[in-house]
Amino acid sequence: EAGVAQSPRYKIIEKRQSVAFWCNPISGHATLYWYQQILGQGPKLLIQFQNNGVVDDSQLPKDRFSAERLKGVDSTLKIQPAKLEDSAVYLCASSPITGSLYGYTFGSGTRLTVV
Amino acid sequence: AQTVTQSQPEMSVQEAETVTLSCTYDTSESDYYLFWYKQPPSRQMILVIRQEAYKQQNATENRFSVNFQKAAKSFSLKISDSQLGDAAMYFCGLNYGGSQGNLIFGKGTKLSVKP
Repeated sequence: EAGVAQSPRYKIIEKRQSVAFWCNPISGHATLYWYQQILGQGPKLLIQFQNNGVVDDSQLPKDRFSAERLKGVDSTLKIQPAKLEDSAVYLCASSPITGSLYGYTFGSGTRLTVV
Repeated sequence: AQTVTQSQPEMSVQEAETVTLSCTYDTSESDYYLFWYKQPPSRQMILVIRQEAYKQQNATENRFSVNFQKAAKSFSLKISDSQLGDAAMYFCGLNYGGSQGNLIFGKGTKLSVKP
């Protein structure tokens, strides 16, 4: 089966600019996750979707980050305006509705550099 | 609060030797799952092994096995017959909250394999 697709692979922007990341999960996976991985740290969950709905966005900085998952398939994560501390790898993952008990499938991530 | 702690920022092993990576965790949940993920330079998180908390038997996947000590809240990963391709970051993960739960990670251990 095809894996989790993410784009772009790299992005460099200036602070205060906006940026968007795209994720296409594995076909049929109801649950989609966005993680932020700052250099030297483990991934931190930003938001979890199940189908179209948000399950958990408690760690999403909502003043600048937004995410949507239209039609329960693809998802976009947006940052506006970006700050220097947003430099990180943004990982998307997906799982079947009960698959979270069996691990998630991750994409290769987008490396964001804010200068 | 749920936490995952990896106390070894870096480890090194000789090719063909055995290495053990440590992980401790804390959760008030009775039903949870533990994971080890591998992250090579490609950035994609790859599931190595999983353990259900209610199972006393330690999980094994080929050269990878775990030592799960529930009372001590310890979950170490043993890699036998280490290969050059095992070099990567390894993250311990805790999934709580059942099928709607999410996965939290430790800070990771960087494993180097010497030829």
